[in-house]
Amino acid sequence: GQQVMQIPQYQHVQEGEDFTTYCNSSTTLSNIQWYKQRPGGHPVFLIQLVKSGEVKKQKRLTFQFGEAKKNSSLHITATQTTDVGTYFCAGPKAGGTSYGKLTFGQGTILTVHP
Amino acid sequence: EAQVTQNPRYLITVTGKKLTVTCSQNMNHEYMSWYRQDPGLGLRQIYYSMNVEVTDKGDVPEGYKVSRKEKRNFPLILESPSPNQTSLYFCASSLAHLNTEAFFGQGTRLTVV
Repeated sequence: GQQVMQIPQYQHVQEGEDFTTYCNSSTTLSNIQWYKQRPGGHPVFLIQLVKSGEVKKQKRLTFQFGEAKKNSSLHITATQTTDVGTYFCAGPKAGGTSYGKLTFGQGTILTVHP
Repeated sequence: EAQVTQNPRYLITVTGKKLTVTCSQNMNHEYMSWYRQDPGLGLRQIYYSMNVEVTDKGDVPEGYKVSRKEKRNFPLILESPSPNQTSLYFCASSLAHLNTEAFFGQGTRLTVV
């Protein structure tokens, strides 16, 4: 079945350092979504990328979708303590018989030291 | 306020005692789904529903049942809970499946002893 791998599993940074998490799917995705989950909270939608090679920015966050629509990345510039949490990617498989299934990566837990 | 409401938030139960976790959304969303979250495994989809009376298995459906009799409600049923179903459960809804963001409930922490 479809697998979505995310690396790294953990990342510790000093405040002000940059952070990147990578997402790789075993199958082509229709789109890729990114979510953030604060400690003790629920996942909250950040953004969705649909087009091959798409790049979107939200303030200090930059999201990319690979040309083959099988990988994606989230980059945070100059991390702040408010960035702490777990970042998940998720995507539905393109085509096939598993329409309706949404597969999440394992998540990257980000810790920011002040 | 647009929201997804799960109940209960916390539940401790014994092996084999049937339980239901309720999920309700007030956004008229067509798509609803259930996930379980376990350390190191991320969010794994249990069941999903594309619309009323339309449900299908996700990646980890064993030991769970769902129903979608009304658009707003999507209960998760554990007929005979076992300790390996101890987990954090999230319900989510979205306007449609593809190309729309998912709104998550607050989560239900279930412990089966």
